[in-house]
Amino acid sequence: GAVVSQHPSRVICKSGTSVKIECRSLDFQATTMFWYRQFPKKSLMLMATSNEGSKATYEQGVEKDKFLINHASLTLSTLTVTSAHPEDSSFYICSAMGHYSNQPQHFGDGTRLSIL
Amino acid sequence: DAKTTQPNSMESNEEEPVHLPCNHSTISGTDYIHWYRQLPSQGPEYVIHGLTSNVNNRMASLAIAEDRKSSTLILHRATLRDAAVYYCILSSEETSGSRLTFGEGTQLTVNP
Repeated sequence: GAVVSQHPSRVICKSGTSVKIECRSLDFQATTMFWYRQFPKKSLMLMATSNEGSKATYEQGVEKDKFLINHASLTLSTLTVTSAHPEDSSFYICSAMGHYSNQPQHFGDGTRLSIL
Repeated sequence: DAKTTQPNSMESNEEEPVHLPCNHSTISGTDYIHWYRQLPSQGPEYVIHGLTSNVNNRMASLAIAEDRKSSTLILHRATLRDAAVYYCILSSEETSGSRLTFGEGTQLTVNP
């Protein structure tokens, strides 16, 4: 099946640091990528949708200046958590979809971000 | 987004079939029924999806009610590796831009 690679798998850093997470589709062209966050024992919450070459669409309540998303190519999207603080500690997960509508999303294995 | 209702948890024994129910009484005509599962500390994994007809793949079967207001994910022979949270989600390009809204899902426990 389709493979999505997410990197890094785990980050521990100091408060105030900016952290970049990469999401790559390895064997298909991802016209749309999604970013989610998940708190312990909770479900996934969609943060934003990004289409290749366009600005990301953020869900209500998600700060676009805090969570910068870039989708510059059909195989790569990045999420940068700017000036991270302890409350930003979470499990961040990306997914990717190909060109055709109503197809499955393929998920990365997530990035566990811990801000000290 | 149209909502789904799933039991919080279910238990099964290894090598027995498992039927995971999902109610979606407000489903629209263009909504596909998607099932994903998530193992601890991993991203979700696609299981199966369908629109009106029952679907089979190597992982599972999806039985969709004739009125589409409910569906059942069927794992034919549960293994310990099937223990996960199973999410039933409605999504379509037309109504949600293919965005997925995850509910709480069903935590499936598989007993040896």
